[in-house]
Amino acid sequence: QKEVEQNSGPLSVPEGAIASLNCTYSDRGSQSFFWYRQYSGKSPELIMSIYSNGDKEDGRFTAQLNKASQYVSLLIRDSQPSDSATYLCAVLTFNQAGTALIFGKGTTLSVSS
Amino acid sequence: GAVVSQHPSWVICKSGTSVKIECRSLDFQATTMFWYRQFPKQSLMLMATSNEGSKATYEQGVEKDKFLINHASLTLSTLTVTSAHPEDSSFYICSIGEMGTEAFFGQGTRLTVV
Repeated sequence: QKEVEQNSGPLSVPEGAIASLNCTYSDRGSQSFFWYRQYSGKSPELIMSIYSNGDKEDGRFTAQLNKASQYVSLLIRDSQPSDSATYLCAVLTFNQAGTALIFGKGTTLSVSS
Repeated sequence: GAVVSQHPSWVICKSGTSVKIECRSLDFQATTMFWYRQFPKQSLMLMATSNEGSKATYEQGVEKDKFLINHASLTLSTLTVTSAHPEDSSFYICSIGEMGTEAFFGQGTRLTVV
């Protein structure tokens, strides 16, 4: 069973602080990794994608990938109350149908003003 | 990114009835669409992979006779929840995505079975 693990939280940070979200995955063959943000009652929206080891920065967001450790993280700098949401880590794996995204349970982030 | 439209956004139905959910790709010809289910405070669970012109591939534990999937064209996939029961109440979401890339999600359908 291919798994993606995240701490459910809640992770609480003050406005302006750095929020650090972590994720581990079990399928060593996975090559594509994604972070989605989901507001309550809404569908997920893509925040970041990362495919190579190292860091990838996009505005206030930085994704980090370490395939040897099967670990991927998301850093949110200068956190804002509007960042309060559930963040889902997703890993693209191979199954009998071809490929599929496997999601973690998500980490709930709360940014206080 | 691709635009995916899902309909209806929410539906309430009586136990024992069937409900059809539509997922349309508005600007992308999707040979493959995915159907997920999400219970409160849980993650998205892949139910099935919908393939245009062929039978869907269901994940382990998902009843194919209960969750009927039809992908008759490159822009439309439907999920029919047959003989719905309260335990089927959930948030159903479809997505499309090219192999190896991110998924683009529909708005989701909140199903409540009473």
